[in-house]
Amino acid sequence: GAGVSQTPSNKVTEKGKYVELRCDPISGHTALYWYRQSLGQGPEFLIYFQGTGAADDSGLPNDRFFAVRPEGSVSTLKIQRTERGDSAVYLCASSLTLGAPLVGELFFGEGSRLTVL
Amino acid sequence: AQSVTQLDSQVPVFEEAPVELRCNYSSSVSVYLFWYVQYPNQGLQLLLKYLSGSTLVKGINGFEAEFNKSQTSFHLRKPSVHISDTAEYFCATGNEKLTFGTGTRLTIIP
Repeated sequence: GAGVSQTPSNKVTEKGKYVELRCDPISGHTALYWYRQSLGQGPEFLIYFQGTGAADDSGLPNDRFFAVRPEGSVSTLKIQRTERGDSAVYLCASSLTLGAPLVGELFFGEGSRLTVL
Repeated sequence: AQSVTQLDSQVPVFEEAPVELRCNYSSSVSVYLFWYVQYPNQGLQLLLKYLSGSTLVKGINGFEAEFNKSQTSFHLRKPSVHISDTAEYFCATGNEKLTFGTGTRLTIIP
């Protein structure tokens, strides 16, 4: 596709359940990012990948959160034992590469809205 | 740590009037600054960015921003807004890992 694709667009789950959110980046983009946006807040960094490896996962809030990108393209964000506080819109973005002059030129998907009851 | 502050959560502006959305940054090192826009039901989109060089940066859709080191600001401006500019605007800073402000909702009044 032409843009970053995220599925599902909406996910409602119960507290304690396991959730997977998928991101399909723009073809050819080597860098992939996950952000989380809570109501009334700006996006908050979670993790980014350069190729298959997680270059920086310092934003993951705790060990219930994990992300993979096994073939350097599609990525999955995995949340174990979900809590009500995990409710947010999870945003995925990709960029052609890292570093100047393209630094900060992220292309975002529309997000996956997660609601934990 | 780098951060940005957007003091205005909502800004209503009459159509064809000018607008300024404020952003102040906090950083002790060289800073990269960005403005992103989120139109209703769409993903975030880069409007413009400042890396170095000229302090006046022009972006898409007629927006521009000025990097002011002495005031640690990077305010976004447009001389004449349209209904289609209705959106949420986010200031951000960082390198590979962006830190976003809390956003400013721009509402255009016909």
